Amino acid sequence: QVHLVQSGAEMKKPGASVKVSCKASGYTFRRDTITWVRQAPGQGLEWMGWVGTYNGHTNYAQKVQGRVTMTTDTVTSTVYMELRSLRSDDTAVYFCARQRLDLYYAMDVWGQGTTVTVSS
Amino acid sequence: EIVLTQSPGTLSLSPGERATLSCRATQSVSSSYLAWYQQKPGQAPRLLISGASTRATGIPDRFSGSGSGTDFTLTISRLEPEDFAVYYCQHYGSALYTFGQGTKLEIK
Repeated sequence: QVHLVQSGAEMKKPGASVKVSCKASGYTFRRDTITWVRQAPGQGLEWMGWVGTYNGHTNYAQKVQGRVTMTTDTVTSTVYMELRSLRSDDTAVYFCARQRLDLYYAMDVWGQGTTVTVSS
Repeated sequence: EIVLTQSPGTLSLSPGERATLSCRATQSVSSSYLAWYQQKPGQAPRLLISGASTRATGIPDRFSGSGSGTDFTLTISRLEPEDFAVYYCQHYGSALYTFGQGTKLEIK
């Protein structure tokens, strides 16, 4: 069975960095790109970017460009999302999701979410 | 950049009724890259529909998607109690994703 399991909740101060992990299992890790989506409290879904698990290529949303880095570790089948210079409006639940080429890039499997709280 | 606008913002219906949710794009998009998701409180989104009309694995046939160009629709033929949730449309194009703001389907 396919799973994406994310790291636990984080509490950070403004200006700090956070690194969230997403460990994949149950499928060929290098086949599918992983994307990151966040959701601020009571708000909708916001795409942050994706990382190709085969070659490490990335594409980031303009809103977080320059503050985010997504990386992949093919040995442990884990993807990481690091967000720097945190602000209060980065408080959100962060999801990783698998995007499927054969589903026209729809996201068919999601992690459970990681709550990141930014507060002084 | 394509913007997706969902309507209505909130839809109040009773179990057994038919739900029609709309997603409108600011410019014509390929229906192949239009998807719908369901999200319940405290849970991750779940893929319902990809390619505008193809149900994902395990999704009941009361869910259907349609549309082309700028106008897309998610229809739930007969609402079950577990269908009350927030629904999002999503487009993929030029290597980036866009989500609609969501429609909350609530019990009347």
